[in-house]
Amino acid sequence: GAGVSQSPSNKVTEKGKDVELRCDPISGHTALYWYRQSLGQGLEFLIYFQGNSAPDKSGLPSDRFSAERTGGSVSTLTIQRTQQEDSAVYLCASSSHLGGTEAFFGQGTRLTVV
Amino acid sequence: AQSVTQLGSHVSVSEGALVLLRCNYSSSVPPYLFWYVQYPNQGLQLLLKYTSAATLVKGINGFEAEFKKSETSFHLTKPSAHMRDAAEYFCAAHGSGNTGKLIFGQGTTLQVKP
Repeated sequence: GAGVSQSPSNKVTEKGKDVELRCDPISGHTALYWYRQSLGQGLEFLIYFQGNSAPDKSGLPSDRFSAERTGGSVSTLTIQRTQQEDSAVYLCASSSHLGGTEAFFGQGTRLTVV
Repeated sequence: AQSVTQLGSHVSVSEGALVLLRCNYSSSVPPYLFWYVQYPNQGLQLLLKYTSAATLVKGINGFEAEFKKSETSFHLTKPSAHMRDAAEYFCAAHGSGNTGKLIFGQGTTLQVKP
């Protein structure tokens, strides 16, 4: 596609429910990142994919968070048993390869847990 | 571990004044460095990047940044601020080699006063 696409753009969910956030990277981009941006905070790294594997998932806050990537393309970030502190904007980015190549960001999914 | 520090979470300048946003990185190996801008309710957009080709890097919208290895800095400047420059600015570092992780600073909100 022309850019990184994330869906949904907004999600309101009840505490305790599971949510799935989707990211469609730019076609051909092998690297894919998930970040979380909370109000007044910077970008918190969650997980990074190279192809379908995740060499670095050190930023996932707890075992309620998981992510997968299939076909070297679409990625899904799943949050189980959502808590109010999970409310944030979840950003996805992709890049063509490691080192020196900028990451292109999607518009983000704004998650609100009520 | 690699880290990025942005000094000053908020910077306020008058229209027409010099903009200086500070960024320092911590890395044993000079990384690839980036500045991104995030306008209100929008995704992140690349301003400029350093990839060792030149220490002074020019970006979009009149911004530039200078890589100083001795100071481990990559400060962002613009000679004359415009109202449209009001946004949040993020410095980011990507380690050379197969590290995979793009690390962001906490961000600096730039306010431009008329």
